[in-house]
Amino acid sequence: EVQLVESGGGLVQPGRSLRLSCAASGFTFEDYAMFWVRQPPGKGLEWVSGISWNSGSIDYAESVKGRFTISRDNAKNSVYLQMDSLRAEDTALYYCAKGDLSALAAFWDYWGQGTLVTVSS
Amino acid sequence: DIQMTQSPSTLSASVGDRVTITCRASQSINRWLAWYQQKPGKAPKLLIYKASSLESGVPSRFSGSGSGTEFTLTINSLQPEDFATYYCQQYNSYWTFGQGTKVEIK
Repeated sequence: EVQLVESGGGLVQPGRSLRLSCAASGFTFEDYAMFWVRQPPGKGLEWVSGISWNSGSIDYAESVKGRFTISRDNAKNSVYLQMDSLRAEDTALYYCAKGDLSALAAFWDYWGQGTLVTVSS
Repeated sequence: DIQMTQSPSTLSASVGDRVTITCRASQSINRWLAWYQQKPGKAPKLLIYKASSLESGVPSRFSGSGSGTEFTLTINSLQPEDFATYYCQQYNSYWTFGQGTKVEIK
């Protein structure tokens, strides 16, 4: 059974940093692209970042480019999102999602339950 | 950026009804479209990919169609567990979602 478990969310002040983690199990992690998606409270879904199977291809939404960094550790079956210079508008539930391919050109077939990030003073 | 527009935003229906949700892309996305279902407090769940391919384990009352810029998600014989919010997503160029369609009980 595929499982994606996010952690690392919490309350943080504007301008500070936070690192999210996603632990994967139930599939061959190194074979698939992974993604971060967010959903502000009561609102819709927004893609944040994606990373290919070998970290060779990485993309970011314009809204986070230059502030967020995605990475993965295939030995630990984990993907990470380093979030710097956080803003109030980054407040959201952050989901980790599995791509259906090794490359970034994929839809997402499994999602975690999310970790909540609240940016407020 | 490719914009995705869903309609309607809210849909009131009864158990047993046939429901259709429309998604329009601002430019052609071929058939690179997925549909997700999200229930309150839960993560989205994949229903349909490549416009019309049914994800394994998803009931056959769900179907998708379309290509280019116009797509539809149809639910035949709506069941109580189908009341949820539905999102379309294009993955032709990066990834963008429609604003969602909430299917509520009439």
